[in-house]
Amino acid sequence: GAGVSQTPSNKVTEKGKYVELRCDPISGHTALYWYRQSLGQGPEFLIYFQGTGAADDSGLPNDRFFAVRPEGSVSTLKIQRTERGDSAVYLCASSPGTGVPPDTQYFGPGTRLTVL
Amino acid sequence: LAKTTQPISMDSYEGQEVNITCSHNNIATNDYITWYQQFPSQGPRFIIQGYKTKVTNEVASLFIPADRKSSTLSLPRVSLSDTAVYYCLVGLNSGYSTLTFGKGTMLLVSP
Repeated sequence: GAGVSQTPSNKVTEKGKYVELRCDPISGHTALYWYRQSLGQGPEFLIYFQGTGAADDSGLPNDRFFAVRPEGSVSTLKIQRTERGDSAVYLCASSPGTGVPPDTQYFGPGTRLTVL
Repeated sequence: LAKTTQPISMDSYEGQEVNITCSHNNIATNDYITWYQQFPSQGPRFIIQGYKTKVTNEVASLFIPADRKSSTLSLPRVSLSDTAVYYCLVGLNSGYSTLTFGKGTMLLVSP
């Protein structure tokens, strides 16, 4: 079946602008995760959704970052007043979220964000 | 979350078997061990997962000793296309678990 998809694949914006990044999880997966990956580093956790609610947003770096998942499927990561330091690859992952371990996460291809 | 330690890089040649060992001394009783592969400009791809002893799939084998403080990913007869970063992670011991990635192991396969 279809995997996790993310759009756009690349996004270039100017400092101070607002951006939205979209994630379509695997159909039927109730858990959805956002990660951020800087060059040469492993992915870093940002936020986790179980259904429509953000169950853990402890990884969001500051209040400029916000994510929603209004219908429990597609999620949007929103970044306000972008800064050059926000440049990174933003990865989305989904998992079945059934409560039965292991809850294996499957990743999308990522969105490369460049803030000029 | 259990911390993992793996080599920063490894070199190999086509056709060889590659073994990447990961240490996870503080693994919890219910933690699973999962390995991901990542190519440049792509998201991490799930390779294999296990809890104890040995797991094998069409891509790799995972060896886990009885004390579970380490694990070894074995890639048989690597090809150039296996050049990638390999991440070892522990967790997923409940219905939800964030993953803590390290820097992974950069495997370079040469002709």
